[in-house]
Parts: sequence; structure tokens; C-alpha cells
Amino acid sequence: KAGVTQTPRYLIKTRGQQVTLSCSPISGHRSVSWYQQTPGQGLQFLFEYFSETQRNKGNFPGRFSGRQFSNSRSEMNVSTLELGDSALYLCASSLQGSSTEAFFGQGTRLTVV
Amino acid sequence: GNSVTQMEGPVTLSEEAFLTINCTYTATGYPSLFWYVQYPGEGLQLLLKATKADDKGSNKGFEATYRKETTSFHLEKGSVQVSDSAVYFCALTRGSYIPTFGRGTSLIVHP
Repeated sequence: KAGVTQTPRYLIKTRGQQVTLSCSPISGHRSVSWYQQTPGQGLQFLFEYFSETQRNKGNFPGRFSGRQFSNSRSEMNVSTLELGDSALYLCASSLQGSSTEAFFGQGTRLTVV
Repeated sequence: GNSVTQMEGPVTLSEEAFLTINCTYTATGYPSLFWYVQYPGEGLQLLLKATKADDKGSNKGFEATYRKETTSFHLEKGSVQVSDSAVYFCALTRGSYIPTFGRGTSLIVHP
């Protein structure tokens, strides 16, 4: 079956702009999580959506937001971009449950200039 | 709260050497434990997992045993290959659907 698909793979934006990233989970998976990965901070959890509802949220400013559609596809939006937002953004999908493995997409590499 | 501590890298080995990457965790009760691998330019892939104490997860020659008494889940491989060069992440889930990840350990294998 198809894996987790993230688009676009690479993105360059200017400070102050906003950006929207997309994630299509594995068919049948209802949970989608987003992570920010940087060399300095490692993998940091942004938020998780389950059946169109935000179920968990990490410690990021309100500039970072997301949503999930009825087909489980998810989007993440970052407004008023800052240089420090440059990172690899990873999406992961899973069925549900604390012992369920997460399947990751290849990520979107965002560069803010 | 939950936390995962991994040995800092990079770990540099010659091909066919023995690999150990240490991972210890802090969590109440009995978390599920995972090792993920990230190859250059890619997302994370699940390598192996264990869901209860004394379970051994294994895949592609890698093994890790869930040790409740030492709160550890060390990753081992008997003979590494150049293709094993990647970043390895230890993670746990407990009381939440969100995995807690370690900082990752970079492995570099030379021919």
C-alpha cells in the first residue's frame, strides 16, 4: 500500500511569508502527527490530529497551526515565517493507540531566507 | 514526564564491527519502545519495537531487548555494513499517542 506522502519536498520562503505543507496518510490511518526536525533541537512534536480534531499539541507558538480533512489528509500552516523556522517538517500517520507504530513521510525541507 | 536518553554520536565503525547504541528511558508503568532509522534525505522508518518487558525486537540483523529493571532498550547488531550508516532514534509511547523521541545517534560505517 502507498506510504505517507508529503508535498512539496522542498520549499524556499522569505521571512514574513506564510507556508502550507501537505500530508496524505496511509489509507485507513486516522491519526496524523507533525514534527519539526532541526540539527540543534532534534525531533520536536508540533501537533496531532485524529478524525479532524486536534488531539495533542506541542509547545510551539500560535504561528504554527494545522488541520485535518475528512479523508484524513492534513495540512500544516506556518505564518509570519522566521529564519529559525528553517527545518525538515515530518508527518507521521498511525492507526491509533499508544503501542501503534508511526509511519513517516519523507518530509518537507523548508528554508526561510 | 516521559523522556528518552541516547548516547551521543557520531558512532564510527569499520564494516563488520559490532554495534551497540545505548538507550535509556524514563516513564511510569510499561511503555512501548521503538527504534527508528533515518537515512540521509529521508523520513524515519520503524526498525523494531517491543511492547512489554523482556521482549526482544529484531529486524534486518538489529536487535534490542526491553529491560524493565534497567529501563533500557539498547540497539545491537553483530556485523554492520556501510549501508547501515544512518541516524538511529530510540522512542517510547506511554499514556499518549505521541512518541517521545531521543535526540538520535548518527552511525557512520567505513568500508
